[in-house]
Amino acid sequence: GAGVSQSPSNKVTEKGKDVELRCDPISGHTALYWYRQSLGQGLEFLIYFQGNSAPDKSGLPSDRFSAERTGGSVSTLTIQRTQQEDSAVYLCASSAGQGMVSYNSPLHFGNGTRLTVT
Amino acid sequence: EDQVTQSPEALRLQEGESSSLNCSYTVSGLRGLFWYRQDPGKGPEFLFTLYSAGEEKEKERLKATLTKKESFLHITAPKPEDSATYLCAVQAGGNYQLIWGAGTKLIIKP
Repeated sequence: GAGVSQSPSNKVTEKGKDVELRCDPISGHTALYWYRQSLGQGLEFLIYFQGNSAPDKSGLPSDRFSAERTGGSVSTLTIQRTQQEDSAVYLCASSAGQGMVSYNSPLHFGNGTRLTVT
Repeated sequence: EDQVTQSPEALRLQEGESSSLNCSYTVSGLRGLFWYRQDPGKGPEFLFTLYSAGEEKEKERLKATLTKKESFLHITAPKPEDSATYLCAVQAGGNYQLIWGAGTKLIIKP
């Protein structure tokens, strides 16, 4: 079956431009997470969706970051006025669980979007 | 503050040389500890969940164990295809968020 799909796989953009990153979760998974991964650091939580609502946006680094999810499926992470410090791999994960990750509803990750801001 | 620390940062072994990776944690009310494997250019892949001290899980050459302060991922007679970064994450209290370690990069030389 299809796993979590992210696009684009790589994105190079100039400082100050806006970018959109897309995530297609596993069909039927109600929970969706965005993480950021920088070299040598643990995954940084950005935002969590349960269905179309985002009960927790606390991880978004600044108001330049926003995310939405439509139809309980596809999610888009938008970064406005990109800065060099935004360069990282952005990972999306989905889960069948109702928020609480567990052995029978682990996170399934996509392969990420590598964002480079020049 | 909840924290997860993995050691070593990198580990180089010869094929067949067994060893262990460590994940130590300080959290309030452990709900679960998770091990993931990440290959270059890929997203993390789920391996194990451990819930309580004394619990063990096995999968092929990997065995994960849990105490009240840390978890070990033991790798027995590793093969080159076991080379990857191994990530540990903890879920604490009633929070759905996972707290992630920085990972251990494991390299198995033939």
